[in-house]
Amino acid sequence: EVQLVESGGGLVQPGGSLRLSCVASGFTFSSHWMHWVRQAPGKGLEWVAKIKQDGSDKDYVDSVKGRFTISRDDANNSLYLQMNNLRVEDTAVYYCARGSRSPGGSSYFDVWGRGTLVTVSS
Amino acid sequence: QTVVTQEPSFSVSPGGTVTLTCGLGSASVSTGHYPSWYQQTPGQAPRTLIYSTNIRSSGVPDRFSGSILGNKAALTITGAQADDECDYYCVLYMGVGTPVFGGGTKLTVL
Repeated sequence: EVQLVESGGGLVQPGGSLRLSCVASGFTFSSHWMHWVRQAPGKGLEWVAKIKQDGSDKDYVDSVKGRFTISRDDANNSLYLQMNNLRVEDTAVYYCARGSRSPGGSSYFDVWGRGTLVTVSS
Repeated sequence: QTVVTQEPSFSVSPGGTVTLTCGLGSASVSTGHYPSWYQQTPGQAPRTLIYSTNIRSSGVPDRFSGSILGNKAALTITGAQADDECDYYCVLYMGVGTPVFGGGTKLTVL
């Protein structure tokens, strides 16, 4: 079964750090772009970060640039999100999502984890 | 910052047809933006419905269809059912391969 399982969420004070993990199973992890997507309470989905198959290309939404770092460990089928200098507005459920490409070249998310909740509060 | 627009809410009668849209303000959405659509029930992870404008993801019933209508991407639900009542999000890919979510549409079936 293709599966993504996130962990590492919790309560942290503003300015603190947290590292999220996502373990993949049931597919060749190293063959896919991987993404983090978040959802603040009662709000919509927001793309946060992506990383290429070999880790050579990464990108972030402007609001987290310089604070968050995405990485991967293909040997352990794992995706990470290091979050530093956290702000109250980073409070959200963070989803790990697999990126895929259609035969025509279209990119999209095709597998989602169940998410892990990050709460930034004093 | 690119803004992808969706109707905040929509209502459809059971058995009816509804079309949700995904726009880019004054610019036109094209297949080159790789429009995709996701369904989310409160408290659950998103589910992929449509990708590459009009390709249904595995297991998605054929009453869900995607298209380009005018200058927007569109998701049409034909024969709406009670369990279609949830949130729908579109995603467009911008020039450098960055995905941007729309604000989501809350669909009510009543």
